[in-house]
Amino acid sequence: GQQVMQIPQYQHVQEGEDFTTYCNSSTTLSNIQWYKQRPGGHPVFLIQLVKSGEVKKQKRLTFQFGEAKKNSSLHITATQTTDVGTYFCAAPSGGSNYKLTFGKGTLLTVNP
Amino acid sequence: GAGVSQSPSNKVTEKGKDVELRCDPISGHTALYWYRQSLGQGLEFLIYFQGNSAPDKSGLPSDRFSAERTGGSVSTLTIQRTQQEDSAVYLCASSQGGGVRETQYFGPGTRLLVL
Repeated sequence: GQQVMQIPQYQHVQEGEDFTTYCNSSTTLSNIQWYKQRPGGHPVFLIQLVKSGEVKKQKRLTFQFGEAKKNSSLHITATQTTDVGTYFCAAPSGGSNYKLTFGKGTLLTVNP
Repeated sequence: GAGVSQSPSNKVTEKGKDVELRCDPISGHTALYWYRQSLGQGLEFLIYFQGNSAPDKSGLPSDRFSAERTGGSVSTLTIQRTQQEDSAVYLCASSQGGGVRETQYFGPGTRLLVL
């Protein structure tokens, strides 16, 4: 089935540093979603990207969808302790029109 | 409005016992998903319900796992003869129509520990 590889698995930063997580697929994706899961919490939807080369911003978070629609990234500028959590990308699984495959996630920890 | 709710929030059981996990989706959402999340891992798809259609059970790891959804709303995930490897967080999510471009709203999960 569809696989989305997410790197890095872990990232530890000092507060104020930037952070980026990457999601890669071997096949073209129709869309990609990003979710955040706080420690002990449940995944919460952040954003969806649909168009080739799309860039969306949410305050300090910048999301990009590659031109070939095979990769995506989430960049956080000047991390804060509230950014701690695991960030997952999710993409349609194979030819499914309802099933998402989630990446294994990137756990971000921030040292105050 | 109310989000997705799950019960119990925590469940400790002995190996070999059956457990039943419950999910109440957001009212009006026709699609319901169950996922399993092992410690520090990603989300493993288990089963998908959409309206009155036959569910997609392709992610259920063994025949000890079953799920049903009554009246297109509440869903229960049953694990029979639990094993220690079943210990995980079981997450339920619902979406309005079930398409891959729709937002999935997750419940708080049930943390299952099999001793």
